Amino acid sequence: AQSVTQPDIHITVSEGASLELRCNYSYGATPYLFWYVQSPGQGLQLLLKYFSGDTLVQGIKGFEAEFKRSQSSFNLRKPSVHWSDAAEYFCAVGAAGGFKTIFGAGTRLFVKA
Amino acid sequence: DTAVSQTPKYLVTQMGNDKSIKCEQNLGHDTMYWYKQDSKKFLKIMFSYNNKELIINETVPNRFSPKSPDKAHLNLHINSLELGDSAVYFCASSQVGVTDTQYFGPGTRLTVL
Repeated sequence: AQSVTQPDIHITVSEGASLELRCNYSYGATPYLFWYVQSPGQGLQLLLKYFSGDTLVQGIKGFEAEFKRSQSSFNLRKPSVHWSDAAEYFCAVGAAGGFKTIFGAGTRLFVKA
Repeated sequence: DTAVSQTPKYLVTQMGNDKSIKCEQNLGHDTMYWYKQDSKKFLKIMFSYNNKELIINETVPNRFSPKSPDKAHLNLHINSLELGDSAVYFCASSQVGVTDTQYFGPGTRLTVL
């Protein structure tokens, strides 16, 4: 079955600290992988995506993610978190030319001063 | 210029009423989607339309009827609203087979009293 698991419902980090949000997926075909961010009361904004090639992808706002096929993971990282990064983060998986993207349950990031 | 827009942003109504949510995208995409986000932030696809044709219907009750008059619009009509329909509804669009990245609207918060 196709699924996306984000093991952490919420995470709290101090401003300036590093961040890693975990994402594991189960997908039969070669996956397309995405990370989206949702600020309170807003829609989802794409942070980055992986389709093929270099397994370390760079995104907006200083985020990066690494695709590890052997671990079926696509973890999101940021070296230094800013207070404005507080939001809900969604990992998602889809297929090339597919019409369905499956989203994880989300991880809520809290940033403390 | 807003890429994916939805109206209204908020919708408060009584049980049993019928309501519609409109979605428009100006990205030239060929595929549009409706998602439902519940109170726990879980994002679940409801419908997917490609070139005005229904591609995905994720076992959504018949009370929900999407309509796509053209590729740039996908409206959602809901009959006989129930308390459980209260959620945030997101419209999204993508160009399948080209970028496969979904762009989301700002959401419509539906509250059924």
